[in-house]
Formats: sequence, C-alpha cells, structure tokens
Amino acid sequence: GQQLNQSPQSMFIQEGEDVSMNCTSSSIFNTWLWYKQDPGEGPVLLIALYKAGELTSNGRLTAQFGITRKDSFLNISASIPSDVGIYFCAGLTGTASKLTFGTGTRLQVTL
Amino acid sequence: NAGVTQTPKFRILKIGQSMTLQCTQDMNHNYMYWYRQDPGMGLKLIYYSVGAGITDKGEVPNGYNVSRSTTEDFPLRLELAAPSQTSVYFCASSYSGGTHGYTFGSGTRLTVV
Repeated sequence: GQQLNQSPQSMFIQEGEDVSMNCTSSSIFNTWLWYKQDPGEGPVLLIALYKAGELTSNGRLTAQFGITRKDSFLNISASIPSDVGIYFCAGLTGTASKLTFGTGTRLQVTL
Repeated sequence: NAGVTQTPKFRILKIGQSMTLQCTQDMNHNYMYWYRQDPGMGLKLIYYSVGAGITDKGEVPNGYNVSRSTTEDFPLRLELAAPSQTSVYFCASSYSGGTHGYTFGSGTRLTVV
C-alpha cells in the first residue's frame, strides 16, 4: 500500500528555535493534512492543503503542499514548550475514502 | 457538541477474554475509522466504514470485528484477546472521507496480560 515517510523521526530543540519537518511519498496525493498528537490524546488537525504549491499558515505553523504533489512540509517558528508532541502528515488520493498517515515526527522542546 | 466519544478510556484484559470498544459520534459523519497506535509508533488502520451497514478491512484487521448498524456508533470487538493487541485504540470520523480531515476520539488504552 501507499506509504508516507516523515523525517526526522524525532527532534530535540530548544525553546525559541524554528522547526522544519517533511513528509514524502512515492505516490501523488490531492490533499495533504498535518496533525498534532499531544501525549495521551488523539491527533488534532492543524492544517489542510488542497493545491500543489499552496502555502498555508496557522499561527506559528506554516505548511506547504509540494509542487510534485508527492511531498509536504511543516514549519514551526519560535517553538514553545506546548509544541511538544507527535506531528503526523496525512494524504488523500482522489478516489480514496481514507487517509494515509505518515510515520510521525516526535518533537521535544527543552527550556 | 461532544465530537467523537470513546469508552472505556482504560482497560486491562486477560489473555483469551473478549471486549467491545465503544465509539460514538454526534456530527452525523458517514465515515468512521478504527486505528491502533503501538508505543512510539504511527497509526495503523484496523477497520473503517463509509456508512451505516457498510464496513471494510484496513491494514491490520486480524483479531478484530466491527459493525455499523447506525450512523452514530462504530463499536470494535476483540475476541480472544492476545498480548499483541496491547495498544492505544483511536476511533475517528469524517464527513467527506478525509478531504477535511478526521475528528479523533481521545483513545482507549488497552493492556492484555
């Protein structure tokens, strides 16, 4: 089946630093989504992208739909302790009725 | 709105026991999904449903069963629990099959001993 590879697998950063992570696939997707999972909770949708090249922001978060439609990127600026969690990308093809999720990037923020 | 509600939040089962994980949503979503998340790992799809009366297997369906008799409810049944089924289980729903994302429940943490 389709796979989404996220990198890095985990990150340890200091408060105030910027974070970049990405998600790549061998298949084309029509929709890219980014989720955050807080410890002990279910994932929550952060950003949705629907068009190749699209750049969308949500506060300190910015995500991009790659031009090739096979990748997506998430940036977090000026990280804070509550950014800790697991970030998942997810993709949807045109005819599918279910998302394909990435492997996750675990973010740790130190003071 | 409550969104997606999962019960119980925690459960310990003995090997060979059975149980049903409950999931209900109040958003009138047609699509519902069950995922499992093993420690430090991503989400694996167990079963999903595109509407009442319709269910389909995901990537890891063995050892589980589902039913979808109403739009609101999508219970997950474990028969003959095994240690390999120790995991956190998430239910999710969506209006459009994922185009606008899923709404997830807060999870059921299951331990099989």
